[in-house]
Amino acid sequence: QKEVEQDPGPLSVPEGAIVSLNCTYSNSAFQYFMWYRQYSRKGPELLMYTYSSGNKEDGRFTAQVDKSSKYISLFIRDSQPSDSATYLCARMYSSASKIIFGSGTRLSIRP
Amino acid sequence: KAGVTQTPRYLIKTRGQQVTLSCSPISGHRSVSWYQQTPGQGLQFLFEYFSETQRNKGNFPGRFSGRQFSNSRSEMNVSTLELGDSALYLCASSLGGYGGSPDTQYFGPGTRLTVL
Repeated sequence: QKEVEQDPGPLSVPEGAIVSLNCTYSNSAFQYFMWYRQYSRKGPELLMYTYSSGNKEDGRFTAQVDKSSKYISLFIRDSQPSDSATYLCARMYSSASKIIFGSGTRLSIRP
Repeated sequence: KAGVTQTPRYLIKTRGQQVTLSCSPISGHRSVSWYQQTPGQGLQFLFEYFSETQRNKGNFPGRFSGRQFSNSRSEMNVSTLELGDSALYLCASSLGGYGGSPDTQYFGPGTRLTVL
């Protein structure tokens, strides 16, 4: 079993819709949970991170961690065509340990 | 501030050859991590160097090696190339410190390696 599981998609939604991206993880020792966005032919960029559990909001983006079910989610409100990219969830054991990535979900926002 | 740079951007090699990829981190960053990205396996961690020492290591064979120089620049080497080594190789730099928040990694654009 992979430590981080993510539905690869692709996911296509109309502009303005709320997008929900999800990952599951198997190791309870993870402390940090991150979401990265990767545009075509670019390296990933960090969108946001949460520590252990709870919610975190940044503009149109909300990250949510449910430790009891080992589930993390990223919600995008008022989605824009510029949000079209691959979204990768990721985990860290500690603040300087290696990062373990999910396989990424390809998202397309239709104008 | 300049971002992470990787050279070359594209590379074509044949089986059995070796290759060296280069990464220049953001100024002031002491940690450099390397990743392999493929459609089938996704983004996989290779290794991390901090202050010229390998600090973390992924599950890759010994054909994959790296090093870091005193100016924090890093190189990755793959010997005896195999077809399955065709991938996007990404380098990421960070401050490298231990603190109360994740050590944010900034990724370069990657080197696209094709093995024929």
